[in-house]
Amino acid sequence: GAVVSQHPSRVICKSGTSVKIECRSLDFQATTMFWYRQFPKQSLMLMATSNEGSKATYEQGVEKDKFLINHASLTLSTLTVTSAHPEDSSFYICSASFTLGSPNTEAFFGQGTRLTVV
Amino acid sequence: RKEVEQDPGPFNVPEGATVAFNCTYSNSASQSFFWYRQDCRKEPKLLMSVYSSGNEDGRFTAQLNRASQYISLLIRDSKLSDSATYLCVVSDRGSTLGRLYFGRGTQLTVWP
Repeated sequence: GAVVSQHPSRVICKSGTSVKIECRSLDFQATTMFWYRQFPKQSLMLMATSNEGSKATYEQGVEKDKFLINHASLTLSTLTVTSAHPEDSSFYICSASFTLGSPNTEAFFGQGTRLTVV
Repeated sequence: RKEVEQDPGPFNVPEGATVAFNCTYSNSASQSFFWYRQDCRKEPKLLMSVYSSGNEDGRFTAQLNRASQYISLLIRDSKLSDSATYLCVVSDRGSTLGRLYFGRGTQLTVWP
């Protein structure tokens, strides 16, 4: 089946540095990818919708200048956490949708990235 | 009010037990409904879609009541491998191409 690959799976960085997370669709072209964040014992919360060739759509309360999203191709979206702080430590996960889909098409998730800012 | 609310859990049951999870959603215009399973520190994986007519997949049965905006998941004959967090997921479009709203998840532990 279709696969979404996310890299890195785990990263530890110093406060103030930037971290880039990649999300790739391996078997299909994804015009839309979604970026979620999950804090411990909390639900996945949508951060932004990444659209190939256009600006991402951010959810309320998510700083677009802090969480930079680039979706330059149909198979790759990147999320860059700029000037990371300890409160940004979380599990970040992407999902991708097909360019052509039937109702109730399964959403495929990347493996997730566990970010720890020290 | 949260878009999707689930049983608080956790549920701790012995092998072979039957366990039921409940979920409610707030948006009456929601179109697609799912149960996902998430293992610790892993990505969610689709367990099953939920239809108004109800659907069954082996030991798992899902029900949807649109009038009550209520979704359920029943697991029969629990196995140790069923231990995970079960996420109730709702989409505002007719497929998972739309935005997904996740419940907080209900943790299940099956003990021998």
